[in-house]
Amino acid sequence: QKEVEQDPGPLSVPEGAIVSLNCTYSNSAFQYFMWYRQYSRKGPELLMYTYSSGNKEDGRFTAQVDKSSKYISLFIRDSQPSDSATYLCAMDAGGTSYGKLTFGQGTILTVHP
Amino acid sequence: DGGITQSPKYLFRKEGQNVTLSCEQNLNHDAMYWYRQDPGQGLRLIYYSQIVNDFQKGDIAEGYSVSREKKESFPLTVTSAQKNPTAFYLCASSKGSRQREKVDTQYFGPGTRLTVL
Repeated sequence: QKEVEQDPGPLSVPEGAIVSLNCTYSNSAFQYFMWYRQYSRKGPELLMYTYSSGNKEDGRFTAQVDKSSKYISLFIRDSQPSDSATYLCAMDAGGTSYGKLTFGQGTILTVHP
Repeated sequence: DGGITQSPKYLFRKEGQNVTLSCEQNLNHDAMYWYRQDPGQGLRLIYYSQIVNDFQKGDIAEGYSVSREKKESFPLTVTSAQKNPTAFYLCASSKGSRQREKVDTQYFGPGTRLTVL
């Protein structure tokens, strides 16, 4: 079993839809939870992160972490065609492993006009 | 412009040959990383370096080697011992600072796509 599992999709939605992207993990030591966005043939870029449990909102994006269930989510409201990309969750245990990220497989999202 | 450059963008190699991928950053970052990305597998850490002249193995270091002689540069050599080297290789860098409740954001280069013929 992989430490981080992410549904690879692909996910196809109409413009304006609410998108939910999810990851589950098995390592209870993870403390930092990140979402990266990767456009085709480009390097990933950090979208947002959460430390420990809780919610974080940034514009149309909301990240949620439930450590008791080992489950994290990224919600995209009012999705736009420019949101079409691969979304990767990533996790960091901190401590001596700080900076050593474990990534999910990535979910391919397409938003249709 | 500050950023991370990787070269070449596309690389073709014959079986049995070693090849070196370049990664340079002008962000004055202490930490640098190499990842491999395969379809359906996300990113996997090959090697990382938190300071000049020091580096650690990641999860899939076998068949790869690195050096960190300068702060700005972290080249990756894919050796003939790597069984399945065809992949998309990504280099990243970060400040290397550790602050509780804050991530040390990793910034990625554009990647090098390696194909073994």
